[in-house]
Amino acid sequence: EVQLVESGGGLVQPGGSLRLSCVVSGFTVSNNYMNWVRQAPGKGLEWVSVIYSGGSTYYADSVKGRFTISRDNSKNTLYLQMSSLRPEDTAVYYCARNGFDYWGQGTLVTVSS
Amino acid sequence: QSALTQPRSVSGSPGQSVAISCTGTSSDVGGYNYVSWYQQHPGKAPKLMIYDVSKRPSGVPDRFSGSKSGNTASLTISGLQAEDEADYYCCSYAGTYTFRVFGGGTKLTVL
Repeated sequence: EVQLVESGGGLVQPGGSLRLSCVVSGFTVSNNYMNWVRQAPGKGLEWVSVIYSGGSTYYADSVKGRFTISRDNSKNTLYLQMSSLRPEDTAVYYCARNGFDYWGQGTLVTVSS
Repeated sequence: QSALTQPRSVSGSPGQSVAISCTGTSSDVGGYNYVSWYQQHPGKAPKLMIYDVSKRPSGVPDRFSGSKSGNTASLTISGLQAEDEADYYCCSYAGTYTFRVFGGGTKLTVL
Protein backbone atom coordinates (compact mmCIF):
# COMPACT_ATOMS: atom_id res chain seq x y z
CA GLU A 1 0.00 0.00 0.00
CA VAL A 2 1.26 3.44 -0.95
CA GLN A 3 1.54 5.92 1.92
CA LEU A 4 3.03 9.39 2.17
CA VAL A 5 3.19 10.91 5.65
CA GLU A 6 4.25 14.51 6.13
CA SER A 7 5.49 16.03 9.37
CA GLY A 8 7.42 19.03 10.63
CA GLY A 9 4.81 21.75 10.30
CA GLY A 10 4.06 24.25 13.03
CA LEU A 11 4.09 27.88 14.05
CA VAL A 12 7.17 29.89 13.10
CA GLN A 13 7.98 33.59 13.19
CA PRO A 14 8.56 35.58 10.00
CA GLY A 15 12.16 35.15 8.90
CA GLY A 16 12.39 31.76 10.58
CA SER A 17 13.12 28.31 9.23
CA LEU A 18 11.40 24.94 9.21
CA ARG A 19 12.10 21.52 7.68
CA LEU A 20 9.26 19.37 6.45
CA SER A 21 9.58 15.61 6.00
CA CYS A 22 7.57 13.16 3.91
CA VAL A 23 8.11 9.50 4.78
CA VAL A 24 7.11 7.24 1.91
CA SER A 25 6.16 3.58 1.86
CA GLY A 26 4.94 1.43 -1.02
CA PHE A 27 7.32 2.79 -3.66
CA THR A 28 10.89 4.06 -3.95
CA VAL A 29 11.30 7.83 -3.76
CA SER A 30 14.48 7.86 -5.82
CA ASN A 31 12.79 6.06 -8.73
CA ASN A 32 10.11 8.72 -9.05
CA TYR A 33 9.88 12.48 -9.22
CA MET A 34 8.57 13.95 -6.01
CA ASN A 35 6.84 17.24 -5.37
CA TRP A 36 5.72 19.65 -2.71
CA VAL A 37 2.38 21.37 -3.26
CA ARG A 38 0.85 23.89 -0.86
CA GLN A 39 -2.58 25.27 -0.15
CA ALA A 40 -3.10 28.50 1.75
CA PRO A 41 -6.14 28.58 4.04
CA GLY A 42 -9.30 28.79 1.95
CA LYS A 43 -7.27 29.06 -1.27
CA GLY A 44 -6.31 26.88 -4.20
CA LEU A 45 -3.37 24.57 -4.84
CA GLU A 46 0.10 25.86 -5.71
CA TRP A 47 3.00 23.75 -6.92
CA VAL A 48 6.13 24.54 -4.86
CA SER A 49 9.00 22.29 -5.92
CA VAL A 50 10.01 19.07 -7.68
CA ILE A 51 13.00 16.74 -7.46
CA TYR A 52 13.52 14.35 -10.35
CA SER A 53 14.90 10.83 -10.06
CA GLY A 54 18.19 12.08 -11.47
CA GLY A 55 18.40 14.73 -8.77
CA SER A 56 17.47 17.86 -10.74
CA THR A 57 15.38 20.30 -8.73
CA TYR A 58 13.03 23.12 -9.70
CA TYR A 59 11.10 25.69 -7.70
CA ALA A 60 8.17 28.04 -8.05
CA ASP A 61 9.30 31.66 -8.36
CA SER A 62 7.56 32.44 -5.07
CA VAL A 63 9.96 30.22 -3.10
CA LYS A 64 13.10 30.21 -5.24
CA GLY A 65 16.20 30.97 -3.20
CA ARG A 66 14.41 30.34 0.10
CA PHE A 67 13.27 26.69 -0.09
CA THR A 68 15.35 23.60 -0.82
CA ILE A 69 13.95 20.20 -1.78
CA SER A 70 15.98 17.08 -1.09
CA ARG A 71 15.61 13.37 -0.39
CA ASP A 72 17.29 10.67 1.66
CA ASN A 73 17.25 7.47 -0.36
CA SER A 74 18.24 5.32 2.63
CA LYS A 75 15.20 6.56 4.54
CA ASN A 76 12.91 6.77 1.50
CA THR A 77 12.07 10.27 2.67
CA LEU A 78 11.50 13.61 0.94
CA TYR A 79 12.33 16.93 2.61
CA LEU A 80 11.58 20.60 2.18
CA GLN A 81 13.91 23.01 3.97
CA MET A 82 12.18 26.36 4.26
CA SER A 83 14.00 29.52 5.31
CA SER A 84 13.30 33.26 5.36
CA LEU A 85 9.66 32.36 5.89
CA ARG A 86 6.98 34.96 5.19
CA PRO A 87 3.35 35.19 6.33
CA GLU A 88 2.28 34.38 2.77
CA ASP A 89 3.99 30.97 3.11
CA THR A 90 1.27 29.97 5.58
CA ALA A 91 -0.37 26.89 4.09
CA VAL A 92 -0.91 23.16 4.29
CA TYR A 93 2.06 21.55 2.58
CA TYR A 94 1.52 18.27 0.75
CA CYS A 95 4.06 15.91 -0.74
CA ALA A 96 2.94 14.21 -3.94
CA ARG A 97 4.38 11.68 -6.36
CA ASN A 98 5.03 12.19 -10.08
CA GLY A 99 2.08 13.98 -11.69
CA PHE A 100 0.39 14.13 -8.29
CA ASP A 101 -1.05 10.63 -8.43
CA TYR A 102 -0.49 9.99 -4.73
CA TRP A 103 -0.65 12.63 -1.99
CA GLY A 104 0.11 12.78 1.70
CA GLN A 105 -2.36 14.13 4.24
CA GLY A 106 -0.53 17.44 4.54
CA THR A 107 1.17 19.38 7.32
CA LEU A 108 0.21 22.92 8.33
CA VAL A 109 2.82 25.65 8.40
CA THR A 110 1.82 28.93 10.03
CA VAL A 111 4.12 31.93 9.73
CA SER A 112 3.12 34.59 12.23
CA SER A 113 4.53 36.72 15.00
CA GLN B 1 -4.34 34.90 -9.47
CA SER B 2 -4.18 31.31 -10.72
CA ALA B 3 -2.53 30.46 -14.02
CA LEU B 4 -5.54 28.46 -15.24
CA THR B 5 -9.09 29.83 -15.17
CA GLN B 6 -11.97 27.80 -13.77
CA PRO B 7 -15.51 28.85 -12.88
CA ARG B 8 -15.83 29.51 -9.16
CA SER B 9 -18.87 27.27 -8.80
CA VAL B 10 -21.15 24.91 -10.66
CA SER B 11 -24.18 22.98 -9.52
CA GLY B 12 -26.46 20.20 -10.62
CA SER B 13 -29.13 17.86 -9.35
CA PRO B 14 -28.56 14.17 -8.67
CA GLY B 15 -28.47 12.20 -11.90
CA GLN B 16 -27.65 15.22 -14.04
CA SER B 17 -24.38 16.00 -15.80
CA VAL B 18 -22.13 18.98 -15.20
CA ALA B 19 -19.02 20.22 -16.97
CA ILE B 20 -16.18 22.25 -15.48
CA SER B 21 -13.96 24.21 -17.81
CA CYS B 22 -10.29 25.04 -17.40
CA THR B 23 -8.78 27.68 -19.66
CA GLY B 24 -5.08 28.23 -20.07
CA THR B 25 -2.73 29.21 -22.86
CA SER B 26 -0.62 27.60 -25.55
CA SER B 27 2.18 27.43 -22.96
CA ASP B 28 0.29 25.04 -20.75
CA VAL B 29 -3.11 23.48 -21.54
CA GLY B 30 -2.83 24.02 -25.27
CA GLY B 31 0.79 22.96 -25.54
CA TYR B 32 0.76 19.58 -23.82
CA ASN B 33 -1.56 16.64 -23.32
CA TYR B 34 -0.79 16.63 -19.60
CA VAL B 35 -3.95 18.01 -18.06
CA SER B 36 -5.14 16.44 -14.82
CA TRP B 37 -8.10 16.94 -12.51
CA TYR B 38 -8.30 16.59 -8.74
CA GLN B 39 -11.22 16.24 -6.36
CA GLN B 40 -10.87 17.65 -2.86
CA HIS B 41 -13.33 17.21 -0.04
CA PRO B 42 -13.11 19.63 2.94
CA GLY B 43 -10.13 18.93 5.16
CA LYS B 44 -8.85 16.18 2.89
CA ALA B 45 -5.97 15.82 0.46
CA PRO B 46 -6.69 16.15 -3.25
CA LYS B 47 -7.46 12.96 -5.17
CA LEU B 48 -6.47 12.36 -8.79
CA MET B 49 -9.55 11.86 -10.97
CA ILE B 50 -8.26 12.36 -14.54
CA TYR B 51 -4.73 12.46 -15.98
CA ASP B 52 -3.26 13.00 -19.43
CA VAL B 53 -6.45 14.88 -20.44
CA SER B 54 -8.82 11.92 -20.48
CA LYS B 55 -7.38 8.90 -18.64
CA ARG B 56 -8.95 7.62 -15.45
CA PRO B 57 -6.90 6.04 -12.65
CA SER B 58 -8.01 2.68 -11.39
CA GLY B 59 -10.95 3.04 -9.03
CA VAL B 60 -12.31 6.30 -10.42
CA PRO B 61 -15.89 5.82 -11.70
CA ASP B 62 -16.43 6.13 -15.45
CA ARG B 63 -18.93 8.89 -14.66
CA PHE B 64 -15.87 11.14 -14.68
CA SER B 65 -14.43 12.04 -18.08
CA GLY B 66 -12.01 14.60 -19.43
CA SER B 67 -11.41 16.31 -22.74
CA LYS B 68 -9.49 19.18 -24.30
CA SER B 69 -9.92 21.56 -27.19
CA GLY B 70 -7.26 24.13 -27.88
CA ASN B 71 -6.39 25.97 -24.68
CA THR B 72 -9.44 24.75 -22.77
CA ALA B 73 -9.84 21.47 -20.94
CA SER B 74 -13.06 20.16 -19.44
CA LEU B 75 -14.10 17.72 -16.75
CA THR B 76 -17.55 16.21 -17.16
CA ILE B 77 -19.32 14.39 -14.36
CA SER B 78 -22.38 12.45 -15.42
CA GLY B 79 -25.00 10.85 -13.19
CA LEU B 80 -24.23 13.28 -10.35
CA GLN B 81 -24.20 11.80 -6.87
CA ALA B 82 -24.21 13.49 -3.49
CA GLU B 83 -20.65 12.37 -2.79
CA ASP B 84 -19.42 14.24 -5.87
CA GLU B 85 -19.95 17.51 -4.00
CA ALA B 86 -16.40 18.82 -3.57
CA ASP B 87 -13.85 21.26 -4.94
CA TYR B 88 -12.28 20.37 -8.28
CA TYR B 89 -8.93 21.61 -9.53
CA CYS B 90 -7.42 21.35 -12.97
CA CYS B 91 -3.68 21.22 -13.49
CA SER B 92 -1.44 21.36 -16.53
CA TYR B 93 2.20 20.72 -17.27
CA ALA B 94 3.79 24.03 -18.25
CA GLY B 95 7.37 23.23 -19.14
CA THR B 96 10.58 22.33 -17.34
CA TYR B 97 10.86 25.37 -15.08
CA THR B 98 7.23 26.26 -14.37
CA PHE B 99 6.50 22.54 -14.17
CA ARG B 100 2.80 22.48 -13.20
CA VAL B 101 0.14 25.18 -12.92
CA PHE B 102 -3.23 24.85 -11.24
CA GLY B 103 -6.63 26.38 -11.75
CA GLY B 104 -8.24 28.32 -8.94
CA GLY B 105 -10.70 25.54 -8.20
CA THR B 106 -14.42 25.02 -8.78
CA LYS B 107 -16.89 24.24 -6.03
CA LEU B 108 -19.41 21.66 -7.18
CA THR B 109 -22.72 21.70 -5.35
CA VAL B 110 -25.13 18.79 -5.74
CA LEU B 111 -28.57 20.27 -5.20
